Amino acid sequence: GAGVSQTPSNKVTEKGKYVELRCDPISGHTALYWYRQSLGQGPEFLIYFQGTGAADDSGLPNDRFFAVRPEGSVSTLKIQRTERGDSAVYLCASSSTISGGYHNEQFFGPGTRLTVL
Amino acid sequence: AQSVTQLDSQVPVFEEAPVELRCNYSSSVSVYLFWYVQYPNQGLQLLLKYLSGSTLVKGINGFEAEFNKSQTSFHLRKPSVHISDTAEYFCAVSRDNNDMRFGAGTRLTVKP
Repeated sequence: GAGVSQTPSNKVTEKGKYVELRCDPISGHTALYWYRQSLGQGPEFLIYFQGTGAADDSGLPNDRFFAVRPEGSVSTLKIQRTERGDSAVYLCASSSTISGGYHNEQFFGPGTRLTVL
Repeated sequence: AQSVTQLDSQVPVFEEAPVELRCNYSSSVSVYLFWYVQYPNQGLQLLLKYLSGSTLVKGINGFEAEFNKSQTSFHLRKPSVHISDTAEYFCAVSRDNNDMRFGAGTRLTVKP
């Protein structure tokens, strides 16, 4: 079946511009996660959605970053006034929930490589 | 908050040799532990995970890891590596799989 998909695969923008990155999770997965992976580093947690609401947004670096999941499936990560330091691969993952609150394995998408010139 | 340290940024090894990739974690509460692999130009793939029970966990592709609570370690091992195991390996820790924290990664290079 279809895995997690992310679009675009690559995005080049200029400093100060606004960008949107899209994530399509696996159908039926209630949980959705955004991570940022800088060169030579492991993924860094940004935000986690349970359904439509952001259950934990403690990883968002500042108020230029925002994410939505209005219908509980597709999510968009929005970055305002981009800076060169925002250049990274942005990863999305999704998982299903089982009883007791524990989530099953997170399945990762291929990522969007963002380059801010 | 929990955190992960991967002690080796790069591990070169010859084909068919054994390998161990080291991972240490810190947390004030019980955690779940994971190893992910990232092949070139591909997404992260789960190798194995420790949730509870037996401390020796077997994963895909012949990998295994042992949870050692007293040493707060979760080292990944494989008795005989193949060229195709060349990839980046990430250790991760989580309280409930919602707040996963990754290490910086270990690049395993298998040489012929």
